[in-house]
Amino acid sequence: SQQGEEDPQALSIQEGENATMNCSYKTSINNLQWYRQNSGRGLVHLILIRSNEREKHSGRLRVTLDTSKKSSSLLITASRAADTASYFCATAGTYKYIFGTGTRLKVLA
Amino acid sequence: DAGITQSPRYKITETGRQVTLMCHQTWSHSYMFWYRQDLGHGLRLIYYSAAADITDKGEVPDGYVVSRSKTENFPLTLESATRSQTSVYFCASRSDRDLGYTFGSGTRLTVV
Repeated sequence: SQQGEEDPQALSIQEGENATMNCSYKTSINNLQWYRQNSGRGLVHLILIRSNEREKHSGRLRVTLDTSKKSSSLLITASRAADTASYFCATAGTYKYIFGTGTRLKVLA
Repeated sequence: DAGITQSPRYKITETGRQVTLMCHQTWSHSYMFWYRQDLGHGLRLIYYSAAADITDKGEVPDGYVVSRSKTENFPLTLESATRSQTSVYFCASRSDRDLGYTFGSGTRLTVV
């Protein structure tokens, strides 16, 4: 069974707009990570937020974590066509991670 | 080249045949993982390994066998392939200190 569930399943926006995707999970975690997957490729690690953190930034990425609601959000600001990809959250209990089903983001030029 | 490599990139096999997917990493990462990716299911963990000679089952291990005699290699074997094992298989590794996974490029396996 999936631990993380991303929402929405698909998102289409114009270049320059912000993209927000959400992840909900079921059990306690040590950390939560976000990954990007371009079509036909492996996943690439984007950012990690620990369970005692509420917000983290990396370039145009902002991740928030609300452990009381068991949810996280990934915000991509000023999106670009190159951001078109699928985005997955992964929740970690110990050293193995459980991935959600992903959000497919399409950024239109 | 440094990194994590999977081979083959594409594989077509017949039902009932044994097939082995290879994964090799050059960083001496302790942890290695095999996932399968299917539409509607996301990535599901098949097997993982915390070190050489230490492996454990993940979420969907049935029909698969792994071994890890050397730290850098983590092959996945389908003992008798079934059509339900048609999928894209990803290998990943992680060091002791860095919590992020590094993924290989995947193997697209079709069982006919």
